[in-house]
Amino acid sequence: QKEVEQNSGPLSVPEGAIASLNCTYSDRGSQSFFWYRQYSGKSPELIMSIYSNGDKEDGRFTAQLNKASQYVSLLIRDSQPSDSATYLCAVNPWQAGTALIFGKGTTLSVSS
Amino acid sequence: DGGITQSPKYLFRKEGQNVTLSCEQNLNHDAMYWYRQDPGQGLRLIYYSQIVNDFQKGDIAEGYSVSREKKESFPLTVTSAQKNPTAFYLCASRPGLGNYEQYFGPGTRLTVT
Repeated sequence: QKEVEQNSGPLSVPEGAIASLNCTYSDRGSQSFFWYRQYSGKSPELIMSIYSNGDKEDGRFTAQLNKASQYVSLLIRDSQPSDSATYLCAVNPWQAGTALIFGKGTTLSVSS
Repeated sequence: DGGITQSPKYLFRKEGQNVTLSCEQNLNHDAMYWYRQDPGQGLRLIYYSQIVNDFQKGDIAEGYSVSREKKESFPLTVTSAQKNPTAFYLCASRPGLGNYEQYFGPGTRLTVT
């Protein structure tokens, strides 16, 4: 059973701090990794994709991938109250067709 | 504007009735997906389609049916055989050929009483 695990949270950080969200996956052959942000009552929005080991930065967001440890993370620098949402990690396992496996998400709360 | 549309946003039905949820995309994406989301649960895959006139069951296909007669459209029918149909239904699409990024529509919240 291919799985993607995330801490459900809530993760609470003060405004301006760095929020660190973590995700582990079970299928060692996974090739593509994604982070989605979902505000309450809304649909998920793709915010980061990462395909190779290391860091990928986009504005205040940094995705980190370590395939040997089967671990992917999302760092949010200078967190803002508008970052308060649930963050979903998604993985495309090897030979899973085109379907993504989603974690249950981590709820982030940024206090002002 | 390019995007994925789902209609309606809210849908109310009585038990025993079939209901069809609409999903349309004008992104020229090859693959389309239906997910269900329940409170405290992750996204669960119902059906997906990689090309017209072909679709595959996901993890929770029982009580649902789909069709893919046009590239742009992937409607989902929730049948009376689905035991717990009340949920948030999300449609997504993917460009195709090695690009695994999925983009979601706004969702349809279905309530069955």
